[in-house]
Amino acid sequence: DAKTTQPTSMDCAEGRAANLPCNHSTISGNEYVYWYRQIHSQGPQYIIHGLKNNETNEMASLIITEDRKSSTLILPHATLRDTAVYYCIVRDNDYKLSFGAGTTVTVRA
Amino acid sequence: NAGVTQTPKFRILKIGQSMTLQCTQDMNHNYMYWYRQDPGMGLKLIYYSVGAGITDKGEVPNGYNVSRSTTEDFPLRLELAAPSQTSVYFCASTLGQGARTGELFFGEGSRLTVL
Repeated sequence: DAKTTQPTSMDCAEGRAANLPCNHSTISGNEYVYWYRQIHSQGPQYIIHGLKNNETNEMASLIITEDRKSSTLILPHATLRDTAVYYCIVRDNDYKLSFGAGTTVTVRA
Repeated sequence: NAGVTQTPKFRILKIGQSMTLQCTQDMNHNYMYWYRQDPGMGLKLIYYSVGAGITDKGEVPNGYNVSRSTTEDFPLRLELAAPSQTSVYFCASTLGQGARTGELFFGEGSRLTVL
């Protein structure tokens, strides 16, 4: 199964775009990339997923490189409520989703 | 829909005691999962189920047992509680169709302390 690598932490100014990188260099052709976030001690919340094409929903945009070895989650206008741990995940064929340590994003006023 | 409901939300156990964490979902999801999260760490998969009557081990199954007799319920059993099982436990579910298989819905968590 593919593994992901994310920076441990990053800061972002309120109102600016937050770009969260993720490396998944061993991803297979049919594996999707999923992003979740966990605010404080709540259960993780699904944000978005993609396979090849860029995706956008009401929460965020997902940019996947052409070789699919990395992706970037974009929060277009970060707010203080976006402060959270963000997880980038690749699902394996056994339907097990493994969550690593994620990126701790702090949005500052 | 209530989504994924976990009970209890908080519990303190003594070493050697047993208990069951309850998880139920009302979304008719096929797949259900149990994770644990230690302070400052990511989530680790304990057990998962792809349907009623089918369960399988995750990364850290030792000290736990599960059953899946119905689509809705996926209880997690701790037989002999140990301090190492102090953690926050999350239950999650997903429909399990195509790309949506990775779209998990999580409960609010059950915070367990073993003293």
